[in-house]
Amino acid sequence: DADVTQTPRNRITKTGKRIMLECSQTKGHDRMYWYRQDPGLGLRLIYYSFDVKDINKGEISDGYSVSRQAQAKFSLSLESAIPNQTALYFCATSDPTAIFDNEQFFGPGTRLTVL
Amino acid sequence: AQSVAQPEDQVNVAEGNPLTVKCTYSVSGNPYLFWYVQYPNRGLQFLLKYITGDNLVKGSYGFEAEFNKSQTSFHLKKPSALVSDSALYFCAVRDRGSTLGRLYFGRGTQLTVWP
Repeated sequence: DADVTQTPRNRITKTGKRIMLECSQTKGHDRMYWYRQDPGLGLRLIYYSFDVKDINKGEISDGYSVSRQAQAKFSLSLESAIPNQTALYFCATSDPTAIFDNEQFFGPGTRLTVL
Repeated sequence: AQSVAQPEDQVNVAEGNPLTVKCTYSVSGNPYLFWYVQYPNRGLQFLLKYITGDNLVKGSYGFEAEFNKSQTSFHLKKPSALVSDSALYFCAVRDRGSTLGRLYFGRGTQLTVWP
């Protein structure tokens, strides 16, 4: 969905480095999510944010932190990257004001490799 | 606890044949159910959802899914498969009674349609 963008699209880094993945959206949605995708494991939720002041841990938040700088921006940081954080990372948004707040809109993903 | 099972890692069908991708779910309350598709090097795209009403839901690209409450299933179907349907398919569930709005995803099923 072009309304949800992620940068960078690909990143190779080394163990121990700090890295930030960024997500921006023009959909005007309050809710934003970070997932990671690993082969055979599907998508697992890292963090989610219901508005700028509301950030919540997902099921696999250890080793990650997030920042909701504005309604449109939600960044994911790896403070000290490790190889098992090599994965495809997706940002998503949803609109709680919709009649049924349920559909999520995904960015194109960031492929992160930690050597 | 919410969970989604996609029992088949891979589904292979011939073009023109009907296809089925299976999904079963577990939620503490009543579910919202979704199917997403992921093409290579792309983010997830929404296909269809079940919210309420008719158990047979029609979505994008000729796909449909049937909600079966007694079997807690939401199988994705298409009467006549196309080679271009080859992709990774994810089933997701949300507890209708939850205000958190988060989705739980299955592990994904790789669909291959051969000519």
